[in-house]
Amino acid sequence: GNSVTQMEGPVTLSEEAFLTINCTYTATGYPSLFWYVQYPGEGLQLLLKATKADDKGSNKGFEATYRKETTSFHLEKGSVQVSDSAVYFCALSRYNNNDMRFGAGTRLTVKP
Amino acid sequence: NAGVTQTPKFQVLKTGQSMTLQCAQDMNHNSMYWYRQDPGMGLRLIYYSASEGTTDKGEVPNGYNVSRLNKREFSLRLESAAPSQTSVYFCASNPQGLKTQYFGPGTRLLVL
Repeated sequence: GNSVTQMEGPVTLSEEAFLTINCTYTATGYPSLFWYVQYPGEGLQLLLKATKADDKGSNKGFEATYRKETTSFHLEKGSVQVSDSAVYFCALSRYNNNDMRFGAGTRLTVKP
Repeated sequence: NAGVTQTPKFQVLKTGQSMTLQCAQDMNHNSMYWYRQDPGMGLRLIYYSASEGTTDKGEVPNGYNVSRLNKREFSLRLESAAPSQTSVYFCASNPQGLKTQYFGPGTRLLVL
């Protein structure tokens, strides 16, 4: 079945460091791919998405490129801030929202 | 707009007790979902409702029931709580034709 594997955390970085959170997926066909972010005490919010191969999703300085050849959707940010501290979830959906599959989540802590 | 709201925020139950988790959205979305979030496992779909008057099972429906009371409200009921149902429960909704889901702040449930 469809599934998502993301790097285990926690990840701790200093402010202004470069961030990469790896995400790979297993799915038939061409799923849509998502990154959601969960700030402390809140629900998940969509951070960015990509719906076809080679698409790049971007938002708030974060980027991820849909790589069909490596079945990956790695999240990157060039310079993290303390306010980026959160849990990040990679997710995929093949047909509709009823088949959304989430990764286990990666906790990021950014220290000043 | 309040978005997606959930009550209660936190609940402690004894094994065998029952309770209903409430969810409401004011965005006129057709589809609504209930997920549970467990450490190391990401979010898993319990039940969903594609439209008012319909409900369907997700990945992990055992031990739960749902009611789509109207377009705004979608409740989750535990008839006889078990310690394995200790989790954080999220309600979500999405607009017709879009895969982006909007999440509530979650209900933290502890079953002793």
